[in-house]
Amino acid sequence: QQQVKQSPQSLIVQKGGISIINCAYENTAFDYFPWYQQFPGKGPALLIAIRPDVSEKKEGRFTISFNKSAKQFSLHIMDSQPGDSATYFCAATDSWGKLQFGAGTQVVVTP
Amino acid sequence: GAVVSQHPSWVICKSGTSVKIECRSLDFQATTMFWYRQFPKQSLMLMATSNEGSKATYEQGVEKDKFLINHASLTLSTLTVTSAHPEDSSFYICSARSDSFMNTEAFFGQGTRLTVV
Repeated sequence: QQQVKQSPQSLIVQKGGISIINCAYENTAFDYFPWYQQFPGKGPALLIAIRPDVSEKKEGRFTISFNKSAKQFSLHIMDSQPGDSATYFCAATDSWGKLQFGAGTQVVVTP
Repeated sequence: GAVVSQHPSWVICKSGTSVKIECRSLDFQATTMFWYRQFPKQSLMLMATSNEGSKATYEQGVEKDKFLINHASLTLSTLTVTSAHPEDSSFYICSARSDSFMNTEAFFGQGTRLTVV
């Protein structure tokens, strides 16, 4: 049973466009929500993360929006570039640090 | 971010043999290390959690006698796949975190591609 639901499964966006990935969770004990970027054959790399006391966090072209009441959060990739083509995972963790991953979204940015 | 090094990056072994994968935290002391398994085009599946000096805690359905985890020091954890079979072929990834981190973030190794022939 997946504790974090992620959509869409895949996404194709043109260069310069916006990629949007959505995640939802049920466990209110989760208090840290990271996003990871994974390239083929590599381990996941932390991209950006947010805590539930903040509704939005922006780092460069990456923005997390967080809706605590709806138990949803999303990743926006602005001005998408071909180098952003990767698989993105949302995750959630409680104070014990055990990550629960979403199913992943494969993003393809076309030139 | 903190650096986690995993070795080897890939390994091929014969069916029935054992393979050891190392996970090291290079610039911090890892209070907790996690081991994941990832099949192609799928998410990461947590196999076990280990704290330094303690026995690992395995997730439901993971055979602890087959996947031996040792976390003997604050910078090193090992995963040994015993009597490997072709169905054990997968991408194995470790992550590590420290109680000293402000957030409960974990940093990942680069993964190990295991192929059992």
